[in-house]
Amino acid sequence: IVLTQSPGTLSLSPGERATLSCRASQSISSIYLAWYQQKPGQAPRLLMSGTSRRATGIPDRFSGSGSGTDFTLTISRLEPEDFAVYYCQQFGNSLYTFGQGTKLEIK
Amino acid sequence: QVQLQESGPELVKPSETLSLTCTVSGDSISGTNWWSWVRQPPGKGLEWIGEIYHSGATNYYPSLKSRVTISMDMSKNQFSLKLTSVTAADTAVYYCARNLAYHYAMDVWGQGATLTVSS
Repeated sequence: IVLTQSPGTLSLSPGERATLSCRASQSISSIYLAWYQQKPGQAPRLLMSGTSRRATGIPDRFSGSGSGTDFTLTISRLEPEDFAVYYCQQFGNSLYTFGQGTKLEIK
Repeated sequence: QVQLQESGPELVKPSETLSLTCTVSGDSISGTNWWSWVRQPPGKGLEWIGEIYHSGATNYYPSLKSRVTISMDMSKNQFSLKLTSVTAADTAVYYCARNLAYHYAMDVWGQGATLTVSS
């Protein structure tokens, strides 16, 4: 299953709302979709599993939604520390695949 | 607090075998979680390599399967990655990670080990 993220780059200002998309090449169960944040020089950090379940310590401005082939990560009000690269990931057929990433940059 | 730490050489010659070890603290690798290796070539995205369970069961990414072996040493609470016949395309940061049980996601990651393939 191929995951395609859009847009490739998203330019927004602090305080704005960010909507990141992840589209799967075939339908996947929502329990198998996760989101990560990665900052330069750091390991990825789990944000969301099961499409909409926030990981420990993740603030509630992050939310996830979707089903079937279309999934969304929303950041309600951007904080300066939210500017990073975001990856979606799915599990299926006993393997994991990642999307190519969306870079969220400060406008 | 669960921590993972990768260790291994930073430089490997083409055609040789890459060997990395992940030492886990704060959790037992013989528990309910699977344990993964993920890599990231310079400037690129994340690529899952494979995973292992304490039973010895493994799953590998199809394009790497012929060259990859993941194993465990439960006495040392470590798991390891071997990748044979490396080329420059295997140059990457290699991460070990914990697959959180029943979540199908990786919730704890090592800091990453930078590996360069060069003669």
